[in-house]
Amino acid sequence: GNSVTQMEGPVTLSEEAFLTINCTYTATGYPSLFWYVQYPGEGLQLLLKATKADDKGSNKGFEATYRKETTSFHLEKGSVQVSDSAVYFCALIPMNRDDKIIFGKGTRLHILP
Amino acid sequence: NAGVTQTPKFRVLKTGQSMTLLCAQDMNHEYMYWYRQDPGMGLRLIHYSVGEGTTAKGEVPDGYNVSRLKKQNFLLGLESAAPSQTSVYFCASSYGGRTDTQYFGPGTRLTVL
Repeated sequence: GNSVTQMEGPVTLSEEAFLTINCTYTATGYPSLFWYVQYPGEGLQLLLKATKADDKGSNKGFEATYRKETTSFHLEKGSVQVSDSAVYFCALIPMNRDDKIIFGKGTRLHILP
Repeated sequence: NAGVTQTPKFRVLKTGQSMTLLCAQDMNHEYMYWYRQDPGMGLRLIHYSVGEGTTAKGEVPDGYNVSRLKKQNFLLGLESAAPSQTSVYFCASSYGGRTDTQYFGPGTRLTVL
């Protein structure tokens, strides 16, 4: 079946450090891939997405590239800020029209000043 | 433009009690969704709707009912609450399905004693 696996948290970094949050998926064909972010006390909001292989999604300094060969969609940012502290969710929507979005378990990120 | 709103924000129930959670969106979106978020589980889809008057089951529908009598509202009902339904509930909406961005409400924290 379809699934999303992302690295366990929490991840703790110092401000201005480089960030990578790993995400791999299992799905047939070419699903659409997403990263959502949840700030404390709020609902999720879309951070970026990619809908076909080799696409790169980017927003607010974050990037992720759709890698079909490794079935991955890792999230990266070159220099994190304290305000990036949040929970990050990788998600996919399968090609099958009857299948709905599947979220990973989330990775909590703490950025220290 | 309020986006997606949820009522109430917090609620405590006793086992066996019933309640209804209200979700409202002012973006004229066709699709609406109810999720529950549990620690270490990510988000799981309870029910969803692809338009006014329609509903469908998601991944974990047991113990819940929904209604979409008006396009802008999506109600989630618990007829006989159980402690296993203690969770944070999120409503979301999107213009279309599949690759369209989902917009989330701020969540309802429900505790069943």
